[in-house]
Amino acid sequence: ETAVFQTPNYHVTQVGNEVSFNCKQTLGHDTMYWYKQDSKKLLKIMFSYNNKQLIVNETVPRRFSPQSSDKAHLNLRIKSVEPEDSAVYLCASSYFGGGCAETLYFGSGTRLTVL
Amino acid sequence: QQQVRQSPQSLTVWEGGTTVLTCSYEDSTFNYFPWYQQFPGEGPALLISILSVSDKKEDGRFTTFFNKREKKLSLHIIDSQPGDSATYFCAASAFGGSAKLIFGEGTKLTVSS
Repeated sequence: ETAVFQTPNYHVTQVGNEVSFNCKQTLGHDTMYWYKQDSKKLLKIMFSYNNKQLIVNETVPRRFSPQSSDKAHLNLRIKSVEPEDSAVYLCASSYFGGGCAETLYFGSGTRLTVL
Repeated sequence: QQQVRQSPQSLTVWEGGTTVLTCSYEDSTFNYFPWYQQFPGEGPALLISILSVSDKKEDGRFTTFFNKREKKLSLHIIDSQPGDSATYFCAASAFGGSAKLIFGEGTKLTVSS
């Protein structure tokens, strides 16, 4: 049963354009995340938010910016996309992001292709 | 550098056989080790997890083993089924740290009938 919803499923764009991805979770979790999964399936955390507050911000290019309106929504904006941004962007949520053994619930991802 | 390493990168087993995936880590503060399963077109989903105070956890056909001294863990799947074909990720995190789960590179498992 899907509880983390991502839109769009796919997006194709050209270098230099701006894109935005949306994520909503209906689990009542406090923490949400953005992960990037590259063509080799490698998963890397980009950002995490706890109750609308940024708590993890990995070293990602400044063209990436997360946006959170409430604890159920976490969007990702990419200004001026580059070819290396082509990947699957996965949104996830968890009950508590304080280093406890929480379970991450992932959405099905947004596949970005930059031409 | 990759803090959590998995092997093999890909694996094919026959239906009914036993699958063994392995994982090693470097950070001795890691104490929580989940395994996630990802099917094509879907996000990863938690399969089984273990804390560093245990050396074995079993859930049906899936068992994870943990060796603290060697900093290694493994996932065993007995009676492997074609429906088990997926990519498996081990991961690690530390209690009390930031909300940061470190994933391994993944193992693509194919179970042939």
